[in-house]
Amino acid sequence: DAGITQSPRYKITETGRQVTLMCHQTWSHSYMFWYRQDLGHGLRLIYYSAAADITDKGEVPDGYVVSRSKTENFPLTLESATRSQTSVYFCASSEITFFGNQPQHFGDGTRLSIL
Amino acid sequence: DAKTTQPPSMDCAEGRAANLPCNHSTISGNEYVYWYRQIHSQGPQYIIHGLKNNETNEMASLIITEDRKSSTLILPHATLRDTAVYYCIVRVARDSSYKLIFGSGTRLLVRP
Repeated sequence: DAGITQSPRYKITETGRQVTLMCHQTWSHSYMFWYRQDLGHGLRLIYYSAAADITDKGEVPDGYVVSRSKTENFPLTLESATRSQTSVYFCASSEITFFGNQPQHFGDGTRLSIL
Repeated sequence: DAKTTQPPSMDCAEGRAANLPCNHSTISGNEYVYWYRQIHSQGPQYIIHGLKNNETNEMASLIITEDRKSSTLILPHATLRDTAVYYCIVRVARDSSYKLIFGSGTRLLVRP
C-alpha cells in the first residue's frame, strides 16, 4: 500500500531557480491538491485538480504552476523561486463518491528552503 | 464553509480518554465535520468525519450534538504517540473544489 509519495523530502535552492516538487499516488484518486504550511498561517491551498488535465487555483497560487497529464501524478513547479516560497509543501488526494464526502489523504511533505 | 473554534492546547494522561471539543455554531445542513491530526513534521492524517450521527472507527469516536453546533473527538485510550495538533474542519461535501480549510487546531500533549 504505497499511497501517496512526495519527492524530494528536502530541497535547498537559490532564488530565481526553477524547482519542481513531485507527487505520486497509487489509489487512482480523482482529486489531488497542493498545500503549503507556514508558521502562523496553517495549511493553505495552492492548486487542486479534479482529474487529468483539469486544474484550478486555490488560495495562494501566485508563483506556482501545476500540471496533471496522468491521474497519478501532480507536479508543482516554482518557475522562479523566491525566499517567500520557503515552506513545507504537502500533496493530498481524495476520491469522489456520490455523496462527495471522502477524506483527503496527505503525503509526508517536501521541506523547501530558498536561499 | 463554516468557521470552527478549538482550544489552542490541551493535555491528558497516557491511558486516559482525550476529549477534544470543537465549536461550529454556523454549520449548515450539508456540511460535514472532519477531524485531522498532524504529528510533528508529518503530513496531516485523516481521523474521522460525520454529518449528524455519532461515528466510531479504529482511531476515535466523533460525537456531534443534536443541533450540530459543536462536536467532540474522543481518543478512548490516549498514548504518547497521540501527541499532535488536532484540526476540526467543516466542509460542504459536494463543494466543487473539495478543499479543506485548516484553522489553528488544538495542540494535544499526552503526558506519561
